Amino acid sequence: GENVEQHPSTLSVQEGDSAVIKCTYSDSASNYFPWYKQELGKRPQLIIDIRSNVGEKKDQRIAVTLNKTAKHFSLHITETQPEDSAVYFCAASRTGTTSGTYKYIFGTGTRLKVLA
Amino acid sequence: EAGVAQSPRYKIIEKRQSVAFWCNPISGHATLYWYQQILGQGPKLLIQFQNNGVVDDSQLPKDRFSAERLKGVDSTLKIQPAKLEDSAVYLCASSFTGGEGYTFGSGTRLTVV
Repeated sequence: GENVEQHPSTLSVQEGDSAVIKCTYSDSASNYFPWYKQELGKRPQLIIDIRSNVGEKKDQRIAVTLNKTAKHFSLHITETQPEDSAVYFCAASRTGTTSGTYKYIFGTGTRLKVLA
Repeated sequence: EAGVAQSPRYKIIEKRQSVAFWCNPISGHATLYWYQQILGQGPKLLIQFQNNGVVDDSQLPKDRFSAERLKGVDSTLKIQPAKLEDSAVYLCASSFTGGEGYTFGSGTRLTVV
């Protein structure tokens, strides 16, 4: 079945350093890749997403890259801050005219700790 | 716009008891999802509705879990009887078209003792 692998499961970085989280998907028809941040006890919040027609997208300190050939996509956080500490989830999905039947397949999550 | 509403926020029950969770999606969102998130894991889809019809319930343990979405708006998820391994956060999400633009509710944290 469809699967999304996510690595690493935990990541500790010093404040100001960069963090990279990687995901691999199995369904070659996937064309939409969101990233969610989940703080302890809170709901997942969308932080950035990318569609398969672009290779990279940036939003301030956050960027996502996509390699469709390898079926990899990655989250890059630069100049990390303590408030970036959370669990990050990637997901893969399809969108389209019949997308009412589509759903996110989530990765297993990465716990990011930014050390002050 | 109002978010996805879920209740209750927390529930503690004994094994073999029954429990029900409620979700009210964002107005106009046709697609509604129930996910189970066990501590330390990613959300796992239990059931997906498009309006009031079931699109995918392949991972729903149908011997004990049931869900409905009457009139294509609110939804309830029920567990009867509960097992210890059902302890998890149950997240409801909705989207306008499906496949993208999920908005999650705050979830219901279930503890089965």
